[in-house]
Amino acid sequence: AQSVTQLDSQVPVFEEAPVELRCNYSSSVSVYLFWYVQYPNQGLQLLLKYLSGSTLVKGINGFEAEFNKSQTSFHLRKPSVHISDTAEYFCAVSGHLSGGYNKLIFGAGTRLAVHP
Amino acid sequence: GAVVSQHPSWVICKSGTSVKIECRSLDFQATTMFWYRQFPKQSLMLMATSNEGSKATYEQGVEKDKFLINHASLTLSTLTVTSAHPEDSSFYICSAPTPILAGDEQFFGPGTRLTVL
Repeated sequence: AQSVTQLDSQVPVFEEAPVELRCNYSSSVSVYLFWYVQYPNQGLQLLLKYLSGSTLVKGINGFEAEFNKSQTSFHLRKPSVHISDTAEYFCAVSGHLSGGYNKLIFGAGTRLAVHP
Repeated sequence: GAVVSQHPSWVICKSGTSVKIECRSLDFQATTMFWYRQFPKQSLMLMATSNEGSKATYEQGVEKDKFLINHASLTLSTLTVTSAHPEDSSFYICSAPTPILAGDEQFFGPGTRLTVL
């Protein structure tokens, strides 16, 4: 079984400042890792994902994340945030199966609030 | 990316009535779809896996007789909340995944806000 812990429920930050949203996971098998963003009253949009290969993953809107297997972490970073980045961010994990479809297990979410 | 739609985007109903929510994959076929429930300021909880041509698989604690799922075609899954009560009020989101070997990405619908009075 897998689980995801997002260490911060809310992260306030000023515009143009860097930000890091933390995510730790636990799993007894290899995993795929994802970050999704949700704007108010909308569905989820994929920011980036780690399946294999390079541990530094670049996504949309200037976000990137680094997979750290020894620390079981997948923290999301952006060097300079904008007001429009204000949203809820979800880290998710799925099991590393060879075929079929994986279920996603979501963290509790982190509310990023960017202030002018 | 692929597009998933949901209808309606919001619905208000009286306690005791049934509500049907549709999830459609617009530009690809989805033999599997997932249904999630999200309470305010909380995360998404997987309710069930909808499978085209077979019965849905429900997560532990989800009442299958209350949340009826029908995967009618390769592009449509429906969730019917039967005899709805105020505690069923929530944001319901569906997703359609790509196969693991094709990148294992899930495309999410915009969600349906259900309010039961």
